[in-house]
Amino acid sequence: KAGVTQTPRYLIKTRGQQVTLSCSPISGHRSVSWYQQTPGQGLQFLFEYFSETQRNKGNFPGRFSGRQFSNSRSEMNVSTLELGDSALYLCASSFLSGSYNEQFFGPGTRLTVL
Amino acid sequence: TQLLEQSPQFLSIQEGENLTVYCNSSSVFSSLQWYRQEPGEGPVLLVTVVTGGEVKKLKRLTFQFGDARKDSSLHITAAQPGDTGLYLCAGAGGNFNKFYFGSGTKLNVKP
Repeated sequence: KAGVTQTPRYLIKTRGQQVTLSCSPISGHRSVSWYQQTPGQGLQFLFEYFSETQRNKGNFPGRFSGRQFSNSRSEMNVSTLELGDSALYLCASSFLSGSYNEQFFGPGTRLTVL
Repeated sequence: TQLLEQSPQFLSIQEGENLTVYCNSSSVFSSLQWYRQEPGEGPVLLVTVVTGGEVKKLKRLTFQFGDARKDSSLHITAAQPGDTGLYLCAGAGGNFNKFYFGSGTKLNVKP
């Protein structure tokens, strides 16, 4: 099975712009979560989608949003970019089996805001 | 406040030494995962432990889940430079499919 894929891998934007990141989960995985990782804050949870519905949300401003499509692919959008949004954005998918869950991560998108 | 506390935060050792990384919480988790992450890449899942007291081995890595399912440890025997990376623990529990991550342990193994 192919792993979690994220596009693009690298992105450079300027303050005030917006950006859309894409994630394709492992085939059969219906849950997709997004995380922001920075050296100072570690791995911070953004939100989780399951069957096109946002089920969990982290403590991020409304500039961060996401969605999930019927094929489980997900996108996240950041509007009005700030310098502090520079980070590695990670997507993880999981298959909810009922007994326990495991998350599998993609390679990430490195966003640099100038 | 971090739900999962990892220690130590940094570890720099010589090749061949042994080490243990700890992941502690006051909360009970239904399962706990350990990941290794290299710079600029996504975390790679090493193991999932589910049962209290469970021990799993992956070559030179030994993972243990505490009896009360609140804590876990990762022990590496005879560390090699290839073990260098950021080790993250993550507990699953509470709200369905909510994962809580530790702050990570950055390991450097010098040849």
